[in-house]
Amino acid sequence: DAKTTQPPSMDCAEGRAANLPCNHSTISGNEYVYWYRQIHSQGPQYIIHGLKNNETNEMASLIITEDRKSSTLILPHATLRDTAVYYCIVRVVNYGQNFVFGPGTRLSVLP
Amino acid sequence: GAVVSQHPSWVICKSGTSVKIECRSLDFQATTMFWYRQFPKQSLMLMATSNEGSKATYEQGVEKDKFLINHASLTLSTLTVTSAHPEDSSFYICSAHASGSFTGELFFGEGSRLTVL
Repeated sequence: DAKTTQPPSMDCAEGRAANLPCNHSTISGNEYVYWYRQIHSQGPQYIIHGLKNNETNEMASLIITEDRKSSTLILPHATLRDTAVYYCIVRVVNYGQNFVFGPGTRLSVLP
Repeated sequence: GAVVSQHPSWVICKSGTSVKIECRSLDFQATTMFWYRQFPKQSLMLMATSNEGSKATYEQGVEKDKFLINHASLTLSTLTVTSAHPEDSSFYICSAHASGSFTGELFFGEGSRLTVL
């Protein structure tokens, strides 16, 4: 599975958009980009995933560059409850294999 | 999304006792579930892969006789911490792939915090 690089921490003002970058320059053609977050003392929560196209759901938007070497998770209107560690994971679809979590980005939403 | 539920969400036990943690897939069947452990300020570490109807596969350094895993049905996997010691105190999390998904997203339980006195 391709390695990902994320900034260790970011701050965002409440109500503003939070843009979380992820670099995955060694991604291969059949690898998906998955985003999860972990709020303190809870299990990881699935946010969104994509292959090539940009994706949007009720939680966030995922923008993947045309060369697929990086992506950005966008929380359009961050709230205090979005404070969490955000993980970007790149891997092929494999139902028998777990997800490997790196250190992620600690997002602090400030009032 | 698919729902994975863990029970109990927290447990305190005395050293030397055994503790069982349940992981259920509520609205889908899961032939494979994963068990993770997370220490404070660290990322999740895979402990074992639980396969329905067969023996679990343990990661290197995880004692299979200490962390007993049973996956007797397509919706339930259990982790039993035997003869628990204070160093086993941690946050234990399970996860499963949702059946019917073609893109492999993994869903996680709420986690179970174990404190061994």
